[in-house]
Amino acid sequence: KNEVEQSPQNLTAQEGEFITINCSYSVGISALHWLQQHPGGGIVSLFMLSSGKKKHGRLIATINIQEKHSSLHITASHPRDSAVYICAVSPNTGNQFYFGTGTSLTVIP
Amino acid sequence: GAGVSQSPSNKVTEKGKDVELRCDPISGHTALYWYRQSLGQGLEFLIYFQGNSAPDKSGLPSDRFSAERTGGSVSTLTIQRTQQEDSAVYLCASSPLRGPSTDTQYFGPGTRLTVL
Repeated sequence: KNEVEQSPQNLTAQEGEFITINCSYSVGISALHWLQQHPGGGIVSLFMLSSGKKKHGRLIATINIQEKHSSLHITASHPRDSAVYICAVSPNTGNQFYFGTGTSLTVIP
Repeated sequence: GAGVSQSPSNKVTEKGKDVELRCDPISGHTALYWYRQSLGQGLEFLIYFQGNSAPDKSGLPSDRFSAERTGGSVSTLTIQRTQQEDSAVYLCASSPLRGPSTDTQYFGPGTRLTVL
């Protein structure tokens, strides 16, 4: 049973395209995180949100608590955005941190 | 300032041997997590330390796994009698306060463990 589901699993886009990655979860949460993992690299936290919407540069993250759904958008995608994007949730109870399996994004010049 | 550091970066061991993996969190961070990322799999929670409180060990996959955190800073993850299925990247993360419900986590580069 996966508490966090992401889609798509793999995504290839042309440079400049608008990209959306989706995350659905099944538990009550106190926060949702979007993480970025470059090939061979470490993990960087992009956003932490518990409601509404956050924007950082070309990245936008939204969350709908009632629908248990979040989206990560990348505007004007660039090859350097190529990475695995991981959705993770912090449930209301306990100290667990549930991860999605990630979306592998490739942006072609 | 310095980020989260982990050592060694790579570890190759023989089945049945014990290994110790080290994590140095960001100075002053009270929350520390260990995760595991197996090949082709998602990240998996292992253990959580918060200050001087008893750790949350609910994610440890077997009693061969243990971890300690000395002085509220450096943490060591120990795997006894390693098995091939223990091969994975072991990641450490720290955060300033209470962890993922309130804080951004800062991840280390990971230790790649290969059990032959």
